[in-house]
Amino acid sequence: GESVGLHLPTLSVQEGDNSIINCAYSNSASDYFIWYKQESGKGPQFIIDIRSNMDKRQGQRVTVLLNKTVKHLSLQIAATQPGDSAVYFCAENRGSGGGADGLTFGKGTHLIIQP
Amino acid sequence: GAVVSQHPSRVICKSGTSVKIECRSLDFQATTMFWYRQFPKQSLMLMATSNEGSKATYEQGVEKDKFLINHASLTLSTLTVTSAHPEDSSFYICSATGKGYTIYFGEGSWLTVV
Repeated sequence: GESVGLHLPTLSVQEGDNSIINCAYSNSASDYFIWYKQESGKGPQFIIDIRSNMDKRQGQRVTVLLNKTVKHLSLQIAATQPGDSAVYFCAENRGSGGGADGLTFGKGTHLIIQP
Repeated sequence: GAVVSQHPSRVICKSGTSVKIECRSLDFQATTMFWYRQFPKQSLMLMATSNEGSKATYEQGVEKDKFLINHASLTLSTLTVTSAHPEDSSFYICSATGKGYTIYFGEGSWLTVV
C-alpha cells in the first residue's frame, strides 16, 4: 500500500551543527505534508507544514523542502540544540481534501544531539 | 491556541475489561477527530476517523466492535477498548481538525492491560 518512509532511523549531530532529516512518500495525490517532533511519552508536536503548491517553507530554525518530482520531503534544523533531541516524523495527508482525511506517518528518525 | 485534551493520560486495566479514553477539543469545534495507535519505537497508525453525529470509519484491520468510537458532540470523541487484552496495550493518540488544514494532536493516553 501507499506509505511514507524515512531513509535513516537514527541521526546523531553535534550541538550547534545543522541537521537534515529525509522522507520519501508515495502518494502523489497528497496535497499537504507535515513534520512532527515527538518526545518520549508525549503526543506529536507540530513543527512545520507545507502544501503541495510550494517547494520550500521556512520557520524558526527549521526549513521544509518538498520535491514532488521524486516525492521527497526533508526537514532542515539549523544550529541544533539539546532540546531538539527527539523522534521526528513526516506525515502526509491521506487524501487531497485538506485535514479531513487523516495522516499517514513515516517510520520516524531519532535525532540525537551530542554535546 | 487550540488545545486537544485526552483523558486519562495513563490507565491500567485488567484483561477482559473495557476502558474508555476521551478526546476533547477545548476551544474550537472539531468537525473531524482521528484516533491513532502507536506501539513502542514505532510510528503512529491511523485507526479510525470520527465525524460528529455519524458512524466512525475504521481503517482496514481495525476491529470496529473492539474499538468503539463515539463522537457525540463537536468537542468530544471517545474511544472504548472493549474486552481488552495485553496486546491492546499501546499509546493511543487523538487528533482533531477544525476548518481547513489545521490539525491538533492530543498528548496521548497510555493503556496497559494486565
